[in-house]
Amino acid sequence: EVQLVESGGGLVQPGGSLRLSCAASGFTFSNYWMSWVRQAPGKGLEWVANIKQDGSEKYYVDSVKGRFTISRDNAKNSLYLQMNSLRAEDTAVYYCARVTYYYDSSGYGVDWFDPWGQGTLVTVSS
Amino acid sequence: QSVLTQPPSVSGAPGQRVTISCTGSSSNIGAGYDVHWYQQLPGTAPKLLIYVNSNRPSGVPDRFSGSKSGTSASLAITGLQAEDEADYYCQSYDSSLSGYVFGTGTKVTVL
Repeated sequence: EVQLVESGGGLVQPGGSLRLSCAASGFTFSNYWMSWVRQAPGKGLEWVANIKQDGSEKYYVDSVKGRFTISRDNAKNSLYLQMNSLRAEDTAVYYCARVTYYYDSSGYGVDWFDPWGQGTLVTVSS
Repeated sequence: QSVLTQPPSVSGAPGQRVTISCTGSSSNIGAGYDVHWYQQLPGTAPKLLIYVNSNRPSGVPDRFSGSKSGTSASLAITGLQAEDEADYYCQSYDSSLSGYVFGTGTKVTVL
């Protein structure tokens, strides 16, 4: 069974740091891009960051650039999100998601998020 | 940053058909990027419901269907059931933002 389990959330003061982890199992982790997606309380979903299979490419939503760093350890089947200079608006449930993809010989490619972990809550407050 | 617009809520009686629209622009859906849909039951993580506009993962009932045209996409639920009460989100890619984007979300209520 494909499974993603996040950990590391908690209460942190504004300006503080936190490191989230996501343990993957049930699939070949090193074959997939991985993502972090967040959801503020009572709000919608927001993609946060992506990382390529070997960690050589990383992409971020503008609001976290320079503050958050996505990384992975394929030997440990784990994904991470280092969050620095946290702000109140970063308060959210953070989900780890596998980027499932389809590419064909014509150059067409598409990807989507499946599956998702259960999420870990990050609260930024004094 | 929700650049895909959905109605905040839709409702219907059991057995009825409801549709949820997802309106984008020329930098996302209109640019040819595919649309995916996720279902989020209360208190749980999102789950993939429709991928690449109209495909259902195994285990998703055929009551759920998706379509895409121009700068918009739609999710239809036929034969609405109580267990379909959830939040639904569309998702695509935006070339101007160089990132993935989600819809604003729609709460489905079964009357």
